[in-house]
Amino acid sequence: GENVEQHPSTLSVQEGDSAVIKCTYSDSASNYFPWYKQELGKGPQLIIDIRSNVGEKKDQRIAVTLNKTAKHFSLHITETQPEDSAVYFCAASKSYNTDKLIFGTGTRLQVFP
Amino acid sequence: DSGVTQTPKHLITATGQRVTLRCSPRSGDLSVYWYQQSLDQGLQFLIQYYNGEERAKGNILERFSAQQFPDLHSELNLSSLELGDSALYFCASSVAGLAVGQETQYFGPGTRLLVL
Repeated sequence: GENVEQHPSTLSVQEGDSAVIKCTYSDSASNYFPWYKQELGKGPQLIIDIRSNVGEKKDQRIAVTLNKTAKHFSLHITETQPEDSAVYFCAASKSYNTDKLIFGTGTRLQVFP
Repeated sequence: DSGVTQTPKHLITATGQRVTLRCSPRSGDLSVYWYQQSLDQGLQFLIQYYNGEERAKGNILERFSAQQFPDLHSELNLSSLELGDSALYFCASSVAGLAVGQETQYFGPGTRLLVL
């Protein structure tokens, strides 16, 4: 069945360091890969996404890379700040415009000042 | 603020009861998705509606049902509640069009359900 694995489950970094979260998807038909940030008591908020026809996408301190052959995609956060502390979820979808999202299990990122 | 609203924010009820969760999508969004978030299962897709019609079903129990009304708001009905149904229930909406950006699913703040 459809499955998305996410690692690590927790990640602690010093302010200013980089953080990397990795995901692997099982369904080769997946073609849309969003990343969500969830703060305590709030709903998931999209921070960046990538479609399968692109290998890398960057938005300021956040970047996502996609390796379709290996079915891996990763989130990179540079120059981390305390406000980056949250739970991050990767997700995969088979049809980027209408399909359900299959979520990874989440990574709790803690950035220490 | 995503523009997706959900009511109520919190709900406490007893086993065997029935509750209704409500979601209003962002203005212009035609598709509504319901997800359940629990500690042991993570974020799981339940059901999707597009312009009033059911589009896809996920891990939704037979005790659960949903609908999308002509004004595009949606309701998730949970009946014969069990302790294990305690979770956060999120609604998301998207335009569900073909242009870049129209695939984004915007999540509401969620309804926290506690079954005692």
